[in-house]
Amino acid sequence: DAEITQSPRHKITETGRQVTLACHQTWNHNNMFWYRQDLGHGLRLIHYSYGVQDTNKGEVSDGYSVSRSNTEDLPLTLESAASSQTSVYFCASQRGLNSPLHFGNGTRLTVT
Amino acid sequence: QKEVEQDPGPLSVPEGAIVSLNCTYSNSAFQYFMWYRQYSRKGPELLMYTYSSGNKEDGRFTAQVDKSSKYISLFIRDSQPSDSATYLCAMSGEYGNKLVFGAGTILRVKS
Repeated sequence: DAEITQSPRHKITETGRQVTLACHQTWNHNNMFWYRQDLGHGLRLIHYSYGVQDTNKGEVSDGYSVSRSNTEDLPLTLESAASSQTSVYFCASQRGLNSPLHFGNGTRLTVT
Repeated sequence: QKEVEQDPGPLSVPEGAIVSLNCTYSNSAFQYFMWYRQYSRKGPELLMYTYSSGNKEDGRFTAQVDKSSKYISLFIRDSQPSDSATYLCAMSGEYGNKLVFGAGTILRVKS
């Protein structure tokens, strides 16, 4: 079965370190998204991509970057981790416009 | 004011009750409305998906959209303990790609 996997499931890092969260999907979807989920805020869009070499900023993109070198992967990089980036991060993919999102099971990131 | 408002709960009901979950929104351009269910330590999974106004039923679940009032609802009939989860409403405009999510309502169904 097609799926979307995130790794690691849990990560603890120190302030100022660079961190990369992996997202891999086997749906062959063009559209991929990164969200963060925090109490009281729900899911907020960080970055998204509509295809290889395409990346776009979401509503909370400061301090994050993504790259899309193939269809299957959209890694999320925190350039210099901050305590405010402690959160649960979800990756999602979408077959096309107006299609539902398929989510991974998340990465819980703690920045100390 | 947030674009999508959703009461975080928690909402606690006895098994077998009818549950009503709601969201209000401010952007009249929203055309696609979804409900996602999220179990603890899991990603959200799509529960219901509707376009524009009206009702949609799927088993014990009914989604309603009232665009004139900018109000959407999810009803769960004969609620079960396995329905205990966080329910997220989500919506998007004409092109249906960038979703805006509510904060989620925690539902607890007691046996």
